[in-house]
Amino acid sequence: ETGVTQTPRHLVMGMTNKKSLKCEQHLGHNAMYWYKQSAKKPLELMFVYSLEERVENNSVPSRFSPECPNSSHLFLHLHTLQPEDSALYLCASSQDWRGRQYFGPGTRLTVL
Amino acid sequence: GQQVMQIPQYQHVQEGEDFTTYCNSSTTLSNIQWYKQRPGGHPVFLIQLVKSGEVKKQKRLTFQFGEAKKNSSLHITATQTTDVGTYFCAGNNNDMRFGAGTRLTVKP
Repeated sequence: ETGVTQTPRHLVMGMTNKKSLKCEQHLGHNAMYWYKQSAKKPLELMFVYSLEERVENNSVPSRFSPECPNSSHLFLHLHTLQPEDSALYLCASSQDWRGRQYFGPGTRLTVL
Repeated sequence: GQQVMQIPQYQHVQEGEDFTTYCNSSTTLSNIQWYKQRPGGHPVFLIQLVKSGEVKKQKRLTFQFGEAKKNSSLHITATQTTDVGTYFCAGNNNDMRFGAGTRLTVKP
């Protein structure tokens, strides 16, 4: 499936770095999601955007900052992360909020 | 808030044996979705159940939604090595919550 793409696929960063994860969906969907997947919490919903407005923010630390400039693109800006933030970050989209979700391949993030 | 519990966390079976994973929600759901994630892959949608007591089948997979719309199950008959992966349920109400997943391994 290539409907949802994520870049980069792998990222290694230091705790003082600033980086951004990018997600793009080619499905004409109205909702986009960021998830964190780690061994401790298999699928942890971070943010939801519907029609480019943030509709859900699940108590995510401010060192994660989402941005949704249009319905096809979603970014996750990262700054001053901690080693425990190392995880697979998955982006997903759906036609409408809470509908069937299509996931991207994920970005494997390692924080040193 | 809504909680979705999924059991078991792990299941190891011999090829040809059956497998079942269960989801239970603390609140009544409008619908429930099931996803499969292969090792090294990303979650892929399998099915959505909406109606109370609904049963749907996909080849060897049988999905059920409880009468009270608070629980669901996925049953695989005669597992194959291609069934390995983690199976997630996702319950929808005012928000959407994923269960912790059941990791299935199959011994040939």
